Amino acid sequence: NAGVTQTPKFQVLKTGQSMTLQCAQDMNHEYMSWYRQDPGMGLRLIHYSVGAGITDQGEVPNGYNVSRSTTEDFPLRLLSAAPSQTSVYFCASSLQGNLGGYTFGSGTRLTVV
Amino acid sequence: GENVEQHPSTLSVQEGDSAVIKCTYSDSASNYFPWYKQELGKGPQLIIDIRSNVGEKKDQRIAVTLNKTAKHFSLHITETQPEDSAVYFCAASRGGGADGLTFGKGTHLIIQP
Repeated sequence: NAGVTQTPKFQVLKTGQSMTLQCAQDMNHEYMSWYRQDPGMGLRLIHYSVGAGITDQGEVPNGYNVSRSTTEDFPLRLLSAAPSQTSVYFCASSLQGNLGGYTFGSGTRLTVV
Repeated sequence: GENVEQHPSTLSVQEGDSAVIKCTYSDSASNYFPWYKQELGKGPQLIIDIRSNVGEKKDQRIAVTLNKTAKHFSLHITETQPEDSAVYFCAASRGGGADGLTFGKGTHLIIQP
């Protein structure tokens, strides 16, 4: 098992550009979620999903879109990048019932200039 | 929404001593409380978790206690070792993890040789 795979690991965007952060898991986990981590702020929930076709907003959803067409994939889309979206982004997944807790990917470091 | 406060932000202890990190939460409906360890450049890793129907849980040198009345939970690490140096995060969820996690801002644990 590869676990939770995030691509790319690093990305630089210009203000106004769009991009998709990829997240894939091979553990057949129903729950998936996206977080951003900023210095001194901990991790903040952007969007989450309890299964294919079901998504919901977290604490900081503005400027981000998600979809969950398959159990394995949960991409995060930045529609029009802003410098305030400079951050490290983590994707995580868990079994329904949260047995074993969430497994996190290794992160994507995004810089918006 | 849920708010999780974590203290202290930095904790320095001598190798072999114990370390205690404390968190409080605001939503009395929260029922799942995990702790994560994050090393530099990596994603968070689950080290222990507890559910609201349990008051204490141990795993070798690590233990977590939960006081539902006070809405307070703590991480205890005994016989600290150099490899325990990292940033530790507490988190809470009201849906057993289904609705994602609300994190505290983290504690930088430093183990002094």
